Amino acid sequence: KNQVEQSPQSLIILEGKNCTLQCNYTVSPFSNLRWYKQDTGRGPVSLTIMTFSENTKSNGRYTATLDADTKQSSLHITASQLSDSASYICVVSAPDGGSQGNLIFGKGTKLSVKP
Amino acid sequence: AAGVIQSPRHLIKEKRETATLKCYPIPRHDTVYWYQQGPGQDPQFLISFYEKMQSDKGSIPDRFSAQQFSDYHSELNMSSLELGDSALYFCASSLGDSGGETQYFGPGTRLLVL
Repeated sequence: KNQVEQSPQSLIILEGKNCTLQCNYTVSPFSNLRWYKQDTGRGPVSLTIMTFSENTKSNGRYTATLDADTKQSSLHITASQLSDSASYICVVSAPDGGSQGNLIFGKGTKLSVKP
Repeated sequence: AAGVIQSPRHLIKEKRETATLKCYPIPRHDTVYWYQQGPGQDPQFLISFYEKMQSDKGSIPDRFSAQQFSDYHSELNMSSLELGDSALYFCASSLGDSGGETQYFGPGTRLLVL
């Protein structure tokens, strides 16, 4: 079964610090990998999207990396801000996802940025 | 830029009642997806439509039905509501449905079944 695993489950950091979130997946075949930010009670917002041929993609203070060989991705947040407090969800696109749909969601990492 | 619009944003129903959730995709997007997200859970795919036809079916209960209309908006009809149906229901839209497109999510409808 296609799966996306994220770690850590939750993370607390101080404002201004950097952090890295991890994502491992077993989805095959694989189209692309996305990182979404989801504020509580709101819809996920896309941060980055990478195909298997891309190693890194940046969006402001967010930098995502992808190793398609080891099926691992990371999201690095630089100089964190209080507004970064949210759940960060790793989502892998599976064209043959069937009943799981095209997108396989990880359970997310809940990030809390403290002043 | 225009985003995905969902209505209503909040809905309270009682058991065995019916509910209709609406989704208006981003202009020119032809694909709509419905997800259900329980508290602390990741979104579960329910169903999707491409060009007004059902394209994929996920874990949508038989009590639920959905359709996409000629203007590409979609409605999720939920009948015989159960307590366990209380969740956030997200709609997402994309241009095309090959699986490689970015899905843009709406703000969600929070359904509470009492």
